Amino acid sequence: DIQMTQSPSTLSASVGDRVTITCRASQSVNSWLAWYQQKPGKAPHLLIYKASSLDSGVPSRFSGSGSGTEFTLTISSLQPDDFATYYCQQYNDYSGTFGQGTKVEIK
Amino acid sequence: QVQLQESGPGLVKPSQTLSLTCTVSGGSISSGGPYWSWIRQHPVKGLEWIGYIYYSGRTYYNPSLKSRLTISVDTSKNQLSLKLSSVTAADTAVYYCASAGRLGELSLRYWGQGTLVTVSS
Repeated sequence: DIQMTQSPSTLSASVGDRVTITCRASQSVNSWLAWYQQKPGKAPHLLIYKASSLDSGVPSRFSGSGSGTEFTLTISSLQPDDFATYYCQQYNDYSGTFGQGTKVEIK
Repeated sequence: QVQLQESGPGLVKPSQTLSLTCTVSGGSISSGGPYWSWIRQHPVKGLEWIGYIYYSGRTYYNPSLKSRLTISVDTSKNQLSLKLSSVTAADTAVYYCASAGRLGELSLRYWGQGTLVTVSS
């Protein structure tokens, strides 16, 4: 089974900061990697698919990069609405493992 | 836009079978997916992928749940379903259904609001 490891687990940042979250896969997932945002009591919301493609309606301050085993989600200028938990998910080979999540908190 | 709504018992006794339905509106099972998925989230924990189903019925399961799991689609009712047998307290979670919503993709674009299932006697 492919394992996904996110870092950090928690991130404290201020409005306007540039934020980077890393996701590592235990084996190559090519570019089959998605990023989701989840707020308390709500379903996850797709931000990025295929490692770097922005889903429709997602602000351009979000970007994704990487391939193989190492991926990053970057928020170029953190906004108040961005304080949430972020998950990566690999979907290579018809499986769908999630990372453990990264909580972005107000500093 | 595809909308999904999970439904089913909120309380299941240990050793029984958990059964949930996801009703799709705003699109058909074949066009709104074509891949559909169930995901769960244990209380105050992260997300766990349960399985995928293609609209034609082909399934892909999480190996850790495979022996207890059945996911199916009913295209006539525009529904997908999940059955998890021999449940324990460890199966207490919010259960989500989701769809890819893009050809050639398994990333999950559309999600239901989730339904909490508690396993307890």
